[in-house]
Amino acid sequence: DTAVSQTPKYLVTQMGNDKSIKCEQNLGHDTMYWYKQDSKKFLKIMFSYNNKELIINETVPNRFSPKSPDKAHLNLHINSLELGDSAVYFCASSQDGDSGRGQFFGPGTRLTVL
Amino acid sequence: SQKIEQNSEALNIQEGKTATLTCNYTNYSPAYLQWYRQDPGRGPVFLLLIRENEKEKRKERLKVTFDTTLKQSLFHITASQPADSATYLCALVREGKLIFGQGTELSVKP
Repeated sequence: DTAVSQTPKYLVTQMGNDKSIKCEQNLGHDTMYWYKQDSKKFLKIMFSYNNKELIINETVPNRFSPKSPDKAHLNLHINSLELGDSAVYFCASSQDGDSGRGQFFGPGTRLTVL
Repeated sequence: SQKIEQNSEALNIQEGKTATLTCNYTNYSPAYLQWYRQDPGRGPVFLLLIRENEKEKRKERLKVTFDTTLKQSLFHITASQPADSATYLCALVREGKLIFGQGTELSVKP
């Protein structure tokens, strides 16, 4: 029973392309997140949605656009991919206000831009 | 700006010993702090949360302390096992966001 799933696991693409990463959680959580983990392993929040509403939008290029069709799904679309976008992207979810049970992370999507 | 720092060097210990990992933070007093484990090629897994009014929290072989005066949290694994080898991340919450340290890689040798 996968709690937070992401597809695809690996994504290799050329500069300038547009790509999407999908995320689904079956935990019934209200809040979902996108994180970026760079080559130095720093994990940084990009976006957060609560019940389909955007609540956190870090300083991320507007080439990145999250979309939440319902509270169980949060997708990430990236336009005009650049070399610096290469990283591992993690989706996560939690109950409202991080009730003490922490955040649940997906397996990650390794994006390589050539 | 908020800084959260963990031992950047890998920690190598012998099986059976206690591993102690450090997390220091500056410029902020978080309401709580979390610890996660991350294995290669996988997402972080939540381990423990400790609140500012708690000095210590335990879960099986894990123990976390939180010293708001020193602005430091210590994470201990007692009777360590090779299966405990992983990267351990601490994270504090600020304005509804989790801010992560860079992690400490722990290697437990048999």
